Amino acid sequence: DTGVSQDPRHKITKRGQNVTFRCDPISEHNRLYWYRQTLGQGPEFLTYFQNEAQLEKSRLLSDRFSAERPKGSFSTLEIQRTEQGDSAMYLCASSFNPGTGPTYEQYFGPGTRLTVT
Amino acid sequence: AQSVTQLDSQVPVFEEAPVELRCNYSSSVSVYLFWYVQYPNQGLQLLLKYLSGSTLVESINGFEAEFNKSQTSFHLRKPSVHISDTAEYFCAVSRNSGYSTLTFGKGTMLLVSP
Repeated sequence: DTGVSQDPRHKITKRGQNVTFRCDPISEHNRLYWYRQTLGQGPEFLTYFQNEAQLEKSRLLSDRFSAERPKGSFSTLEIQRTEQGDSAMYLCASSFNPGTGPTYEQYFGPGTRLTVT
Repeated sequence: AQSVTQLDSQVPVFEEAPVELRCNYSSSVSVYLFWYVQYPNQGLQLLLKYLSGSTLVESINGFEAEFNKSQTSFHLRKPSVHISDTAEYFCAVSRNSGYSTLTFGKGTMLLVSP
């Protein structure tokens, strides 16, 4: 299967701990996106990369959050000093765009469910 | 900025009945429109999209949606639903130029019962 993969699928952590999630996009896709989905809500945009460049960050992405895509392939999302409000499903998506134009379709991974106790 | 409104959080329907899931959007620029489906314990999957051209778009499993610019709507319809259509459906919008990300509605849970 060559779809978007995310690891881990589930993470339970105690408040104050740091967590890191990984996303492996579809191999030829140059754009990678992170979203957060809480119960009863649709996914909310966090940040995205074109190749290794982080081009946009949502105001939802506080200073405790950092994302990287060092070689333009996989990406990591780290949350430092987790809070209970960080409990959510973290979704990764990827797409291919040859230039700077709009995105026609994003392919989503299964998500990482974070529970902060 | 764009926004999406899905007024119905849940739509119960009997198998083989028709269904319509409503989606309205707000945007100051031209947009692309999408419907994504999320089956239980699975990731989001693109169901159908409107980019340009014909305002009526169809999916391979019998759903269709019509872009109505004057009413800023993109409602999803199916003439006869199956039990297997039980899922959460998300409407989403993005700008149709430049860098763009998806703005989602809150989702509508379609519950199909026998």
